[in-house]
Amino acid sequence: GAGVSQTPSNKVTEKGKYVELRCDPISGHTALYWYRQSLGQGPEFLIYFQGTGAADDSGLPNDRFFAVRPEGSVSTLKIQRTERGDSAVYLCASSLLAGASGGELFFGEGSRLTVL
Amino acid sequence: QQQVKQSPQSLIVQKGGISIINCAYENTAFDYFPWYQQFPGKGPALLIAIRPDVSEKKEGRFTISFNKSAKQFSLHIMDSQPGDSATYFCAAQPIFSGGYQKVTFGTGTKLQVIP
Repeated sequence: GAGVSQTPSNKVTEKGKYVELRCDPISGHTALYWYRQSLGQGPEFLIYFQGTGAADDSGLPNDRFFAVRPEGSVSTLKIQRTERGDSAVYLCASSLLAGASGGELFFGEGSRLTVL
Repeated sequence: QQQVKQSPQSLIVQKGGISIINCAYENTAFDYFPWYQQFPGKGPALLIAIRPDVSEKKEGRFTISFNKSAKQFSLHIMDSQPGDSATYFCAAQPIFSGGYQKVTFGTGTKLQVIP
């Protein structure tokens, strides 16, 4: 399909391990976002990319979290030394900037991370 | 700091009834207010959105009412249907004043429409 694709859909890991979550945005969308959604909560902003650069990483909770988008398309969210509190659904979204659409975000189905 | 407050947390409505979800914001830089609908196991999807230069926007059974002076907005779902059962998130963005489109979400309202 032509939507936002996220892999893996589910990831179970042990405390202290390293995890990578991948997002493939809609073709042509220059803006890419990572959000984290805990159970029963709204999505919480982590980081925003405009092209290859992180325009706003103010939502990353600490330096264990890092994200890249080297070619301005696919993005990878990297979590080092995972902790049980990192367990959540990690959502990726993409959008076109400005225009009549008014900035609609198109979300993937998320990667559910469980840290044991 | 919770910048967008949403209520109620959950809502049960009979089929054909009106569902009302309320939100309030604090940051006056917000200038675009979308509502997203999320079904279990899926990502949120845009339902309807409003800019603060209008007080109401209607799309089918869904209406947003906006009160700029009170910094409040609400979603009304008319003739609610079981297929509307989902979690609804209000959100706010500083599109035209912030230079980019960071979306701040409310905490969500889980709507259940019973036959």
